[in-house]
Amino acid sequence: DADVTQTPRNRITKTGKRIMLECSQTKGHDRMYWYRQDPGLGLRLIYYSFDVKDINKGEISDGYSVSRQAQAKFSLSLESAIPNQTALYFCATSSGAPGYTFGSGTRLTVV
Amino acid sequence: QKEVEQNSGPLSVPEGAIASLNCTYSDRVSQSFFWYRQYSGKSPELIMSIYSNGDKEDGRFTAQLNKASQYVSLLIRDSQPSDSATYLCAVTGQGQNFVFGPGTRLSVLP
Repeated sequence: DADVTQTPRNRITKTGKRIMLECSQTKGHDRMYWYRQDPGLGLRLIYYSFDVKDINKGEISDGYSVSRQAQAKFSLSLESAIPNQTALYFCATSSGAPGYTFGSGTRLTVV
Repeated sequence: QKEVEQNSGPLSVPEGAIASLNCTYSDRVSQSFFWYRQYSGKSPELIMSIYSNGDKEDGRFTAQLNKASQYVSLLIRDSQPSDSATYLCAVTGQGQNFVFGPGTRLSVLP
């Protein structure tokens, strides 16, 4: 099994719908992150969490919310999806030591 | 705003050649520098990290860091078609989150 698992792998949704992307990890890492990736723009940080009671906004948090249900679980929600949220979304974990472990990604398309 | 810049490419090199990938960063207090490789549609994977000025070698990969010039590079010797991917530069300071560059797409031609 993968160390960092993201579900779903692919999702097509309609504008205005609420959608949740889920991430779970078996690394035992405290830190978890949500990034989106768009062509030519690299990885941009949406939200991050250093423990269950700690949630922080990243550089592009507008339109997104997160929930850290447990040390191992970190979910990203789009309350009302819009087409420019079409992107590849990655969850990542870290122990605090340098280097992230990334999940396999969720390809989201908003039509 | 902290920035990390890379040439988007594509950078094309013949098989067996040296590929040179470059990255500049704006935050002078950055302390840790990383190169990730990302195949199309896949997640990034860490291939090199460097923390001190100079060169660090790992197999066919060499990372070079020059903090005075705020410059970090990745050399890939004896490039193979399997090296064709996007290479992401990431920079972080103590206790800070990573800042990623946009990536350079490398194409190694057989």
